[in-house]
Amino acid sequence: AQSVTQLGSHVSVSEGALVLLRCNYSSSVPPYLFWYVQYPNQGLQLLLKYTTGATLVKGINGFEAEFKKSETSFHLTKPSAHMSDAAEYFCAVSDDGGTSYGKLTFGQGTILTVHP
Amino acid sequence: NAGVTQTPKFQVLKTGQSMTLQCAQDMNHNSMYWYRQDPGMGLRLIYYSASEGTTDKGEVPNGYNVSRLNKREFSLRLESAAPSQTSVYFCASSPGGTGLLLYFGPGTRLTVT
Repeated sequence: AQSVTQLGSHVSVSEGALVLLRCNYSSSVPPYLFWYVQYPNQGLQLLLKYTTGATLVKGINGFEAEFKKSETSFHLTKPSAHMSDAAEYFCAVSDDGGTSYGKLTFGQGTILTVHP
Repeated sequence: NAGVTQTPKFQVLKTGQSMTLQCAQDMNHNSMYWYRQDPGMGLRLIYYSASEGTTDKGEVPNGYNVSRLNKREFSLRLESAAPSQTSVYFCASSPGGTGLLLYFGPGTRLTVT
């Protein structure tokens, strides 16, 4: 069975500071990994995904994540936070090798607050 | 381009009442899903439909039923609502295959009193 743990339900940073949101996963086979963002009162939007190939994945809005198999991690980073980055972020995993028709397991979510 | 639409946006039910949440997508996607979101628990899969004519249980199917009416529409029914079903419900769709890209609707906020 697959699982996802997001370390820290709330993260607070100052505008311009580094954003680091942590995600660790458990999977019995090579995983597909995702980060989604949810702005207030909206549905989730895909930020980035890792399927195969390069382990450093770049997404929208300046975010990137690195797949580290040895650490079973897929942490999300952004060098400089903007006020508009304030949202809830979800890490998700699928280990069904592309045949799971999108059955993702989501982490608990991390709420990012950005202070002026 | 509407994407994934859900109705209603908000609903309040009394315990024991029934209702159907509607979802439609206009992207010609094969697969559709229903998730519920609860604070501190992320999103949990209720039911999914890999393709038109098929439905399968997800992680938390008890108390729910679904219908894949056609390729566009996937409804979620609560036959006898319980306070534990108070949640935000999201419908999503996916073209299927590798990549596992999900497109989410705006959600339905349901309160059961």
